[in-house]
Amino acid sequence: DTEVTQTPKHLVMGMTNKKSLKCEQHMGHRAMYWYKQKAKKPPELMFVYSYEKLSINESVPSRFSPECPNSSLLNLHLHALQPEDSALYLCASSQESYRWGEETQYFGPGTRLLVL
Amino acid sequence: GENVEQHPSTLSVQEGDSAVIKCTYSDSASNYFPWYKQELGKGPQLIIDIRSNVGEKKDQRIAVTLNKTAKHFSLHITETQPEDSAVYFCAAKEWNNDMRFGAGTRLTVKP
Repeated sequence: DTEVTQTPKHLVMGMTNKKSLKCEQHMGHRAMYWYKQKAKKPPELMFVYSYEKLSINESVPSRFSPECPNSSLLNLHLHALQPEDSALYLCASSQESYRWGEETQYFGPGTRLLVL
Repeated sequence: GENVEQHPSTLSVQEGDSAVIKCTYSDSASNYFPWYKQELGKGPQLIIDIRSNVGEKKDQRIAVTLNKTAKHFSLHITETQPEDSAVYFCAAKEWNNDMRFGAGTRLTVKP
């Protein structure tokens, strides 16, 4: 089973709202990622958690706040977003620590976010 | 850092024909090259990958070739079917660095 699940599938929020995206995997993977994907573009890496610790933050604005409550769960807390933050937010996981070797990343279906 | 170029950006083929998508990378230290298929409204799905110690890998109608000297790798889909229509992304990764994606190829298979 190589399934990564994400909720919600769709989210519409105003610029003053606070919302959270959730990601879950039960493959025993120790690295989890958040990507942002704009239309007709490849995914862009935002954050990487390795063994439940934040190991990479790709200069993402503070209105995006990641959290890894345990090895199976990854959250992305959203606050005071801008319309340009509208995108598909993808979660992925890989078996071992992100930068060690040739790790296959498995993606979830994504959350399509619209900021009004 | 790694730079991955992908061509063509769009590709249209007749059902049953073959499709080839090519990628080049810049960093000779890259050692892992996955290909992802992304259908409309879905996340990218890994379809095949290759590591730097292998020159070719096949999985039914899909194959990937790697030329380390020239720093390019290609995806080959034979006997294409309408359900192969999607956006395909190549990627390259080196140890101790991020995975870099190509810009994507929109493949359309016409019935």
